[in-house]
Amino acid sequence: DGGITQSPKYLFRKEGQNVTLSCEQNLNHDAMYWYRQDPGQGLRLIYYSQIVNDFQKGDIAEGYSVSREKKESFPLTVTSAQKNPTAFYLCASSIGTGVPRDQPQHFGDGTRLSIL
Amino acid sequence: AQKVTQAQTEISVVEKEDVTLDCVYETRDTTYYLFWYKQPPSGELVFLIRRNSFDEQNEISGRYSWNFQKSTSSFNFTITASQVVDSAVYFCALRWDYGQNFVFGPGTRLSVLP
Repeated sequence: DGGITQSPKYLFRKEGQNVTLSCEQNLNHDAMYWYRQDPGQGLRLIYYSQIVNDFQKGDIAEGYSVSREKKESFPLTVTSAQKNPTAFYLCASSIGTGVPRDQPQHFGDGTRLSIL
Repeated sequence: AQKVTQAQTEISVVEKEDVTLDCVYETRDTTYYLFWYKQPPSGELVFLIRRNSFDEQNEISGRYSWNFQKSTSSFNFTITASQVVDSAVYFCALRWDYGQNFVFGPGTRLSVLP
């Protein structure tokens, strides 16, 4: 079945440590996104990528980094510069920038990151 | 600016009641797309429906129905005869024609009590 796989489901970070969240899709989508969700809150965009080897900052990119070396993969690194990383992280993908633009985003199951 | 407002933070209903979740959006574009997603306790977002700005026809899918009104910039979602399995957080989202991204509302947490 086509879909988006995020791993791990739960992740713990020590102070000063970088951690990487994995996101893989087999939907052949061009665009991929990372969102952060805090308890009881909506989604905030961290980074997005419309095409391989290109990505753009979202609303809350500080303390995060990404790469897009392959169409299928869009890993997110939470760096030690992100002082409050505890949150639920969701990866999504969509067909891309071309028409039709009414195509929805498809989401993974998310990764819960906590500080040790 | 593009914005989505979901004024209802939390709603509780008893099973079999009807419930309407409100969504109000703002955009200057004449062409845009609206979406509803469901986030059950497990966490993943599930796509429910999309609507284009040039199609104001309301839609019904089983117990779910959507009322799109451009005059009031609203895209409301009604669940008829609610069930416990409908308990989730529901998000309304907007994408405009030349935008790269989706703008999500803050979500409405629906609790359906047995």
